[in-house]
Amino acid sequence: QQQVKQSPQSLIVQKGGISIINCAYENTAFDYFPWYQQFPGKGPALLIAIRPDVSEKKEGRFTISFNKSAKQFSLHIMDSQPGDSATYFCAASIINFNKFYFGSGTKLNVKP
Amino acid sequence: GAGVSQSPSNKVTEKGKDVELRCDPISGHTALYWYRQSLGQGLEFLIYFQGNSAPDKSGLPSDRFSAERTGGSVSTLTIQRTQQEDSAVYLCASTFSTGGGYTFGSGTRLTVV
Repeated sequence: QQQVKQSPQSLIVQKGGISIINCAYENTAFDYFPWYQQFPGKGPALLIAIRPDVSEKKEGRFTISFNKSAKQFSLHIMDSQPGDSATYFCAASIINFNKFYFGSGTKLNVKP
Repeated sequence: GAGVSQSPSNKVTEKGKDVELRCDPISGHTALYWYRQSLGQGLEFLIYFQGNSAPDKSGLPSDRFSAERTGGSVSTLTIQRTQQEDSAVYLCASTFSTGGGYTFGSGTRLTVV
C-alpha cells in the first residue's frame, strides 16, 4: 500500500510560470511533510518542509500548501526557472519515528 | 565530512556475484537509512539504523540483502547473488535522532549484467 501518492508524474512549465505538484497521504499520524529536489546523478536534497499545525509555508519562490482535513499537500514553484528542472519528491513521516515514506516523484521541465 | 559519502559511485557486476556498498554518514548523525531508487521510480525504503537500537529491516526485499553499521558510523549494504532486478541507485541518508529532514548521499548506481 502506497502511503504517499504524488501527481503528476511529469510536468512541463514555461519559464516564469507556476509549477504545482500534489501529494496525498493516508496515515493521519504523519506530522512532518518535506519536499526533496533531485538533479540527475545526485541524491535528493531537502527543499522545504511543513508541520501540520500550519496551512502554508513559503521560502523564496517555493511554497507548501497543506490541507489537513483533505490529507493533501502541494508544492508551488512561483516564477519557475530552467534551473528548477529536476525531479521533486514529496514525503511524509511521523517525526519521532523518523522513517520517511516518499511519493513516486514528479519530473519537472521548465522551458526557457 | 561535510556530507554523506557513498562509494563506489558506480558498480557494474555480473549476475550471481556479491556486492558491497558503503555509506559514510555525516559526523554526529545517529540515524542512517538505505533507500533504493529504480529507474524513473520513487524511493524504496530498505533499512534504518538508529544509534544502538536494533535496525528496522522491514524494507529489505529478500534475504540476499543485508546491512550493518559498525561503531555507529559507517554502514555497508551487501547484496548476495545479485540479480538483474537489483539494478538501481542505492541511496544512503543520515540525520540526527531528533528528526527533521534527511541528508542524502549521491548514491551508488548498481548495474547487474
